[in-house]
Amino acid sequence: KAGVTQTPRYLIKTRGQQVTLSCSPISGHRSVSWYQQTPGQGLQFLFEYFSETQRNKGNFPGRFSGRQFSNSRSEMNVSTLELGDSALYLCASSFETRLGDTQYFGPGTRLTVL
Amino acid sequence: ILNVEQSPQSLHVQEGDSTNFTCSFPSSNFYALHWYRWETAKSPEALFVMTLNGDEKKKGRISATLNTKEGYSYLYIKGSQPEDSATYLCAFIVYNQGGKLIFGQGTELSVKP
Repeated sequence: KAGVTQTPRYLIKTRGQQVTLSCSPISGHRSVSWYQQTPGQGLQFLFEYFSETQRNKGNFPGRFSGRQFSNSRSEMNVSTLELGDSALYLCASSFETRLGDTQYFGPGTRLTVL
Repeated sequence: ILNVEQSPQSLHVQEGDSTNFTCSFPSSNFYALHWYRWETAKSPEALFVMTLNGDEKKKGRISATLNTKEGYSYLYIKGSQPEDSATYLCAFIVYNQGGKLIFGQGTELSVKP
């Protein structure tokens, strides 16, 4: 089975721009969660989507948004980029997180904001 | 604010040493605890999902225990090998928020040959 894939792997943007990151889950998985990893804050939860609906949300400003498509692929969007948004963004997929299922992580997208 | 603490922050051991790390989490509203291993330039790799008080799980030389009443989990590595070098993360899940992993800062393990 193919693992979780994320595109692009690396991205450089300037302040004020917006960015869209993509995540393709493992086939059959319906849940996709997004995380931000920074050196100071560690891994922090952004949001979870399940069957095209946002099911959980972390403590991030409204500039961070996401969506999920009918094939379970998910996108994350960050508008009006700030320098502090520079981070590794990871997505993770799971069959059904409410059953305590393992979340399988992708390789991440490294975003640099200049 | 829910806090997950891991100790130590880093650990340097010799090949063949056994080692253990601690993960502390809030004992109320517990749903599950996940352990991950994260090697540099790779994706975090799931090790264990633990849900019941007293759970013990084992995968090769790595094992973990769970105490939900006092809010801690231990991860043990027996006979560490250089390939065990990685950051070990635990993540807590609150009841009814299954998709939201609350991560600790991790324990960085370095095993010297």
